[in-house]
Amino acid sequence: AQTVTQSQPEMSVQEAETVTLSCTYDTSENNYYLFWYKQPPSRQMILVIRQEAYKQQNATENRFSVNFQKAAKSFSLKISDSQLGDTAMYFCAFMKPVSSGAGSYQLTFGKGTKLSVIP
Amino acid sequence: DTGVSQDPRHKITKRGQNVTFRCDPISEHNRLYWYRQTLGQGPEFLTYFQNEAQLEKSRLLSDRFSAERPKGSFSTLEIQRTEQGDSAMYLCASSSDGRIFNYGYTFGSGTRLTVV
Repeated sequence: AQTVTQSQPEMSVQEAETVTLSCTYDTSENNYYLFWYKQPPSRQMILVIRQEAYKQQNATENRFSVNFQKAAKSFSLKISDSQLGDTAMYFCAFMKPVSSGAGSYQLTFGKGTKLSVIP
Repeated sequence: DTGVSQDPRHKITKRGQNVTFRCDPISEHNRLYWYRQTLGQGPEFLTYFQNEAQLEKSRLLSDRFSAERPKGSFSTLEIQRTEQGDSAMYLCASSSDGRIFNYGYTFGSGTRLTVV
């Protein structure tokens, strides 16, 4: 079974600064997908960024980038130029592809990191 | 694309009562998921539908829980004889085969259940 560990329950960052959220995972699979989701207070969870394990290049989406270290099973999220709207819970998640078309492709989530952006 | 809708947003019920939640996925999405999120935890998988077929259930889904997705459209999650431990946010998500790796799931806003 896959496990996802987020070791930082809470973090804070000054507006306009850079912050890195850590995530490690455990799997015996070689091919899989990793995601970071953002859950603002009382709002729905939205996808921030994704990474395919077979791609060595780190994914980037505007101010968000990842540092994917496959051998170390590490998948950290860097937020540059932090904005007040980045305040949210951030969840790291793992998805294992299945060979069958009926596979669930369920996501395994970490416990989350509560990020507060301070004005 | 009107997003994933969940109803109600909040539900307070007395222990022992039955509750039912509804999820309306994005219309073209064939995959529908239910997750449970308790305080301080990440979402945990409960069950999965591909069209109208319930193809996978977590061990977290005790026999007091039942889910349906008639005609592959909306889905309902019913909890019978609720217990205080059932208090949680129940999240619904949907996706399609062509989107799941690029976009993951689209989540609803959740139904927060409080059992008193």
